[in-house]
Amino acid sequence: AQSVTQPDIHITVSEGASLELRCNYSYGATPYLFWYVQSPGQGLQLLLKYFSGDTLVQGIKGFEAEFKRSQSSFNLRKPSVHWSDAAEYFCAVGGYSGGGADGLTFGKGTHLIIQP
Amino acid sequence: DVKVTQSSRYLVKRTGEKVFLECVQDMDHENMFWYRQDPGLGLRLIYFSYDVKMKEKGDIPEGYSVSREKKERFSLILESASTNQTSMYLCASSSETQYFGPGTRLLVL
Repeated sequence: AQSVTQPDIHITVSEGASLELRCNYSYGATPYLFWYVQSPGQGLQLLLKYFSGDTLVQGIKGFEAEFKRSQSSFNLRKPSVHWSDAAEYFCAVGGYSGGGADGLTFGKGTHLIIQP
Repeated sequence: DVKVTQSSRYLVKRTGEKVFLECVQDMDHENMFWYRQDPGLGLRLIYFSYDVKMKEKGDIPEGYSVSREKKERFSLILESASTNQTSMYLCASSSETQYFGPGTRLLVL
């Protein structure tokens, strides 16, 4: 069965500092990987996705993520965080069509707190 | 831009009531999904549909049913609401990438 682990429930980062959110997955075939962000009371917004090709993918709002097959990881990074980045972040894995037909499996989320 | 709308942002119902949550997408996507989100548990898939009148159970279908009579609309039905169904419900649609609605926060008293 597929699964996603986000080891950090909460992370606190100072504004302007760099950020890395960890994600490890378990999937029996080629994974399609996603990062979503959720602001309080809102739905999920797609930050970026990996289907194939270059293992370093760029997303919106200055985020990037790197797919490392050997480590089964897909960590999210940002070089300098802004107060508006405070939110809940979810990593997800899907099947052959990117979860388009058969649903996604989500991690439990990482709550990002930004210190002034 | 893809737009997924949900009929209510907040809903309060009583135990035993029949509850309908509606979701509409405007991108002609084949696939639609219902998830529930609970603190500390992330998102869990309830049901999904890959075509009109087709439905598939997700990871936690018990206590729920769905209806898809038109391609753009996917309804989640709680036949007899219970307090343990108090949650945030998120609808999504996709061709390859899933796009989410704003969510419905349901409170069952």
